Amino acid sequence: DAGVTQSPTHLIKTRGQHVTLRCSPISGHKSVSWYQQVLGQGPQFIFQYYEKEERGRGNFPDRFSARQFPNYSSELNVNALLLGDSALYLCASSPQGARNSGNTIYFGEGSWLTVV
Amino acid sequence: AQSVAQPEDQVNVAEGNPLTVKCTYSVSGNPYLFWYVQYPNRGLQFLLKYITGDNLVKGSYGFEAEFNKSQTSFHLKKRSALVSDSALYFCAVTVPPSGYSTLNFGKGTLLLVSP
Repeated sequence: DAGVTQSPTHLIKTRGQHVTLRCSPISGHKSVSWYQQVLGQGPQFIFQYYEKEERGRGNFPDRFSARQFPNYSSELNVNALLLGDSALYLCASSPQGARNSGNTIYFGEGSWLTVV
Repeated sequence: AQSVAQPEDQVNVAEGNPLTVKCTYSVSGNPYLFWYVQYPNRGLQFLLKYITGDNLVKGSYGFEAEFNKSQTSFHLKKRSALVSDSALYFCAVTVPPSGYSTLNFGKGTLLLVSP
């Protein structure tokens, strides 16, 4: 079975531009989360979606937005890119039920974003 | 607030020796604890988790971790290290029932296993 897939794997953007990152969860998983990992740090939670609704939001500015589609895939959008947005963006999926029940969260390989 | 601390930036061990990567947590309530491994330029791979039950949890690639509630620790261990274990290791915590499995990660510990 395919794991969590993300695209693109690498991209370079200029300050002020917009970027869209895409994620397909493991088949059967309805919960998708996004994390940002800056070099030298642990991943930081950005968003979680379950059944197409936002269920959690981390401490990120409104320039960051996301959505989940009927097939449970997801997009992360970042507007007005800053140099500090350069990071590895990780998508994760889990067979999450209505509440946190300790299901394993599986991560994709990530999308490397460089802002110049 | 929930958080984890990984007090060591780097752990060095010789191949064949036992290894320990330390993690302590701070939460209100009973935690769910996870270990992930990250190889260079890759995503995170799940190693093991503690939800409830036996304090000693066995995971992938011969790794295990012991949940110690009194010391609020969840150290990762392996009896005999391999050079291929060299990677970045992350401890993470979440607390039910609040939140939808949002993971709070430590800053990571780089494990270097020498031949």
